[in-house]
Amino acid sequence: SQQGEEDPQALSIQEGENATMNCSYKTSINNLQWYRQNSGRGLVHLILIRSNEREKHSGRLRVTLDTSKKSSSLLITASRAADTASYFCATGGTGANNLFFGTGTRLTVIP
Amino acid sequence: DAGVIQSPRHEVTEMGQEVTLRCKPISGHNSLFWYRQTMMRGLELLIYFNNNVPIDDSGMPEDRFSAKMPNASFSTLKIQPSEPRDSAVYFCASSLYGGRTDTQYFGPGTRLTVL
Repeated sequence: SQQGEEDPQALSIQEGENATMNCSYKTSINNLQWYRQNSGRGLVHLILIRSNEREKHSGRLRVTLDTSKKSSSLLITASRAADTASYFCATGGTGANNLFFGTGTRLTVIP
Repeated sequence: DAGVIQSPRHEVTEMGQEVTLRCKPISGHNSLFWYRQTMMRGLELLIYFNNNVPIDDSGMPEDRFSAKMPNASFSTLKIQPSEPRDSAVYFCASSLYGGRTDTQYFGPGTRLTVL
């Protein structure tokens, strides 16, 4: 399967702490994207990192990619209650023409 | 832009009935995706259109499911006859060019309950 897998499945932290989520995948990729889903809503794109990039930042988000280990991590710094959501990684395979979404990490930020 | 629009937002129907879900992609986007999300199986791609043409329908569960895109601004996903196991949230997404490198923009979803 080309689907990514996030780890952990659920994460609960205090407001102000950092949250780290990991994604592992199995096939070669062209890029990897992270999406957020608030309860009862559609997914929202957060950040895209290409296979030739190792790290990318966007505001409080930091994404790393290690293609040798077929893994990526999403770090949210100084978390806020509004960051409570599910986070999904999606991989664009080199041989595929669409994205494959992982199983998601449910993040709860406690005020 | 209004974003991807889906209707209805909620649908409750009885087993055996026909269900039609609707989607309006973002204007100018060339690709449209239908997904199904359940607790058990997560987010599954059902079908993917590019320039109104179905490119990959390998995720469509069975013949009871069909999808059409008669023009660039409208798509439907039909289930006939519906079954309780079809209960899920169905998302439509669009992207500018499609393909593996493009960002997808999701609609709010249709929560389908089949009794």
